[in-house]
Amino acid sequence: AQSVAQPEDQVNVAEGNPLTVKCTYSVSGNPYLFWYVQYPNRGLQFLLKYITGDNLVKGSYGFEAEFNKSQTSFHLKKPSALVSDSALYFCAVRDMRGGGSYIPTFGRGTSLIVHP
Amino acid sequence: NAGVTQTPKFRVLKTGQSMTLLCAQDMNHEYMYWYRQDPGMGLRLIHYSVGEGTTAKGEVPDGYNVSRLKKQNFLLGLESAAPSQTSVYFCASRERENNEQFFGPGTRLTVL
Repeated sequence: AQSVAQPEDQVNVAEGNPLTVKCTYSVSGNPYLFWYVQYPNRGLQFLLKYITGDNLVKGSYGFEAEFNKSQTSFHLKKPSALVSDSALYFCAVRDMRGGGSYIPTFGRGTSLIVHP
Repeated sequence: NAGVTQTPKFRVLKTGQSMTLLCAQDMNHEYMYWYRQDPGMGLRLIHYSVGEGTTAKGEVPDGYNVSRLKKQNFLLGLESAAPSQTSVYFCASRERENNEQFFGPGTRLTVL
C-alpha cells in the first residue's frame, strides 16, 4: 500500500521569505514522488518529480524539493516566495515496483498563501 | 497541441438524470484517469485506463461508468446522478514511460 500525508492544510508566508510545504510518504518499495500545483479554477500542473539520483530536485517556477529517504519526506521549497505562488499544492507518490500500481496516490493538498 | 480537454466545463443536473463527461487528449498517451476533487479530500481516483479498450476501478467507482473505445478519449458516465456526486471532475493522462500526469481544466458538476 502507498500513502502520502501533507500535514498542513495551509501555509502562510510573507513575500520574499523562504517557503516550505511538507510531504511525507509511505510505500513498500522505492518511491516515485511528485509535486503538482493548482491555481484557482484550473487543473493541476506538474512542478517536479523525483525518480532516482540526486536528492535535490529542481522544478518549474524556482521550486525545488528534497528527497529524504530516512525521514520518508519530500518537502517542497522555494528560497523567495512570490504572491503569484499562492495556490494549492499537491504531493503524490507511486511505488516503483514493477507489476504494481500505475496509480499515484495524492495528498489532500496544502494551500499556500503568500502575503504582500 | 491542445493537451487534455474536458467537455463540458460546467453542468447542473437534477437527481436521477444521466450525463457523460468527455475527456480528450492529443498526446497519444496510453494511460488516462478520472478523478474527483472535493474540499478537504484532495483528489480521489474514480476509474482509470491503461490502454484502448481497457478500464479499471479506482478508489471511488460507485455510481460511475467509463469507456475507452478510442485511445484519445476517456468517457465518464453518471447513469443516475445523486447530490453526493456534486464535485469537480478532472481527467488526466500520461505516457507509458513517463510518470508525469497531464490534467484537464476540470468539469464542475452540481447535482440538485
